[in-house]
Amino acid sequence: AQTVTQSQPEMSVQEAETVTLSCTYDTSESDYYLFWYKQPPSRQMILVIRQEAYKQQNATENRFSVNFQKAAKSFSLKISDSQLGDAAMYFCAYRSYSGGGADGLTFGKGTHLIIQP
Amino acid sequence: DVKVTQSSRYLVKRTGEKVFLECVQDMDHENMFWYRQDPGLGLRLIYFSYDVKMKEKGDIPEGYSVSREKKERFSLILESASTNQTSMYLCASSFLWDSLYEQYFGPGTRLTVT
Repeated sequence: AQTVTQSQPEMSVQEAETVTLSCTYDTSESDYYLFWYKQPPSRQMILVIRQEAYKQQNATENRFSVNFQKAAKSFSLKISDSQLGDAAMYFCAYRSYSGGGADGLTFGKGTHLIIQP
Repeated sequence: DVKVTQSSRYLVKRTGEKVFLECVQDMDHENMFWYRQDPGLGLRLIYFSYDVKMKEKGDIPEGYSVSREKKERFSLILESASTNQTSMYLCASSFLWDSLYEQYFGPGTRLTVT
């Protein structure tokens, strides 16, 4: 079974600064997907960014980027120019590559990100 | 926009009651999922379904059952609610053959069992 570990229960950053959230995972599979989801207070969980394990290039979405180190089984999220709206719980998640079909996500325990104005 | 809705945002039930949590999606997704979210534990998969009347156990199915009679609707059932089932319950949906595997989440139901 796969496991996902987020070692930082809470992080705090000044507005406009850069913050990195850590995630490591354990798997014996070679093909899989990794995700970062954001859950704002009292709002729905939304996808921030995703990475296919077979792609060497790190995914980027505007101010959000990842550092994917496959050999180290590490998948960190970098948020540049932090904004007050980035305050949320962030979850790292793993999914096996099954070529299609249904399969749930394995989530980490989450990191609570606080943005200081 | 994909919309996943859940029948209640907050629910209070008594120990031993039968509880139904309903989830509806409007994007014709084949897959539907139920997760439980607890502080310090993240989200854990309870059950999922990839077709009408089909269901698969997730990581923590004990004490729960599910029903999927229509493609757009997925129900989570607590046969006899217990206090340790007090939690936030999140429903999600996705396309069966979506190579990017994005799941869309509902707003959640916060269930308190007293």
